[in-house]
Amino acid sequence: NAGVTQTPKFQVLKTGQSMTLQCAQDMNHNSMYWYRQDPGMGLRLIYYSASEGTTDKGEVPNGYNVSRLNKREFSLRLESAAPSQTSVYFCASSEEVFVAGGGLETQYFGPGTRLLVL
Amino acid sequence: GQQLNQSPQSMFIQEGEDVSMNCTSSSIFNTWLWYKQDPGEGPVLLIALYKAGELTSNGRLTAQFGITRKDSFLNISASIPSDVGIYFCAGHDRTSGTYKYIFGTGTRLKVLA
Repeated sequence: NAGVTQTPKFQVLKTGQSMTLQCAQDMNHNSMYWYRQDPGMGLRLIYYSASEGTTDKGEVPNGYNVSRLNKREFSLRLESAAPSQTSVYFCASSEEVFVAGGGLETQYFGPGTRLLVL
Repeated sequence: GQQLNQSPQSMFIQEGEDVSMNCTSSSIFNTWLWYKQDPGEGPVLLIALYKAGELTSNGRLTAQFGITRKDSFLNISASIPSDVGIYFCAGHDRTSGTYKYIFGTGTRLKVLA
């Protein structure tokens, strides 16, 4: 059980190049997320997917696209990278367990992808 | 975008001391999560809270879900050098109809041996 995995771990791009960040989870979670983390800004949501086949914009979606390929995989694509997209990108997945009185949810993170755009 | 107010932003403490940090929000949540992030790693879930007033422990860590549902607290007892890192809180309102979590900006903890 690997949890949430991300590839690549590091990437350097030139302005205007494109790339896709890959994420997979083996916990059978319905919801998956992409965040970026910048110094002093905490974690900001880029896109999320509540279930297979659905995606929604988060707080900072501009310049990104996502694909929920299947229940396990959620990819993030930068079509034309910009220096402002230099950041650490985290993928996460969450589960909601229904118990009497409501649902209990937890969210788990991958190890991150460090992206530098020159 | 909405973020939680987490304090303190950073703290230096001596090994063996107890640590307290908190998160406050302008809106209510029905889930609070606390994470620790080591340098170069992703956040790791420490404690999850689901009910107002709930007090939950995980080893030397204890977290509480505030009665107003707008705040949460994390305490670390008898700190050790490996407690160093950034601690994040995250809140979620299931009644909002979204699956979005709101994160605090983090408390950076440094432990002096």
